[in-house]
Amino acid sequence: EDQVTQSPEALRLQEGESSSLNCSYTVSGLRGLFWYRQDPGKGPEFLFTLYSAGEEKEKERLKATLTKKESFLHITAPKPEDSATYLCAVQGYQGGSEKLVFGKGTKLTVNP
Amino acid sequence: ETGVTQTPRHLVMGMTNKKSLKCEQHLGHNAMYWYKQSAKKPLELMFVYSLEERVENNSVPSRFSPECPNSSHLFLHLHTLQPEDSALYLCASSQAPAGSLFGYTFGSGTRLTVV
Repeated sequence: EDQVTQSPEALRLQEGESSSLNCSYTVSGLRGLFWYRQDPGKGPEFLFTLYSAGEEKEKERLKATLTKKESFLHITAPKPEDSATYLCAVQGYQGGSEKLVFGKGTKLTVNP
Repeated sequence: ETGVTQTPRHLVMGMTNKKSLKCEQHLGHNAMYWYKQSAKKPLELMFVYSLEERVENNSVPSRFSPECPNSSHLFLHLHTLQPEDSALYLCASSQAPAGSLFGYTFGSGTRLTVV
């Protein structure tokens, strides 16, 4: 069964203090690993898809990396507007299933 | 309107009521999903529709009944719910099959409270 574990559960940073969020996964054949951002009272917003180990993607202050066992979301010089819950999800080869399996998320708070 | 729209945003219902959640997507996608999001738990997949056909039902109790009349609309019919069914219900869409690798588009959700 596909599983996703995210750590830490919550993270508080000062503005400008860079850090990383972790997503460990087990999946029977990885089709894709996804990062989403979720603001309170809203649905998750798509950030990145990573397909294979060694791949990296960047968007503004965010950079996602992927190994065979985990993914990191690096946040460089964060700003208060980066405060949100960040969700990781994987899609595996399960008979062509389209479903994503999500982790519990990391709640990031960036203080000014 | 663009994206995925869910109505109502908030719903309070008694355990004997019948209500429906509605989801509409304007993205031309052909797969739609219902997820349940509870506090301290990962998003739980409930139903998947691909090309208007239900392709997955993740052991969801029969008090939840989905309906997908066309590729743009998805409903979740609710009846005789329990307090533990209180949660945020999220609808999402994607372009199946391979298109889901480009990420789902989620609606803002319906916050359901069962009293």
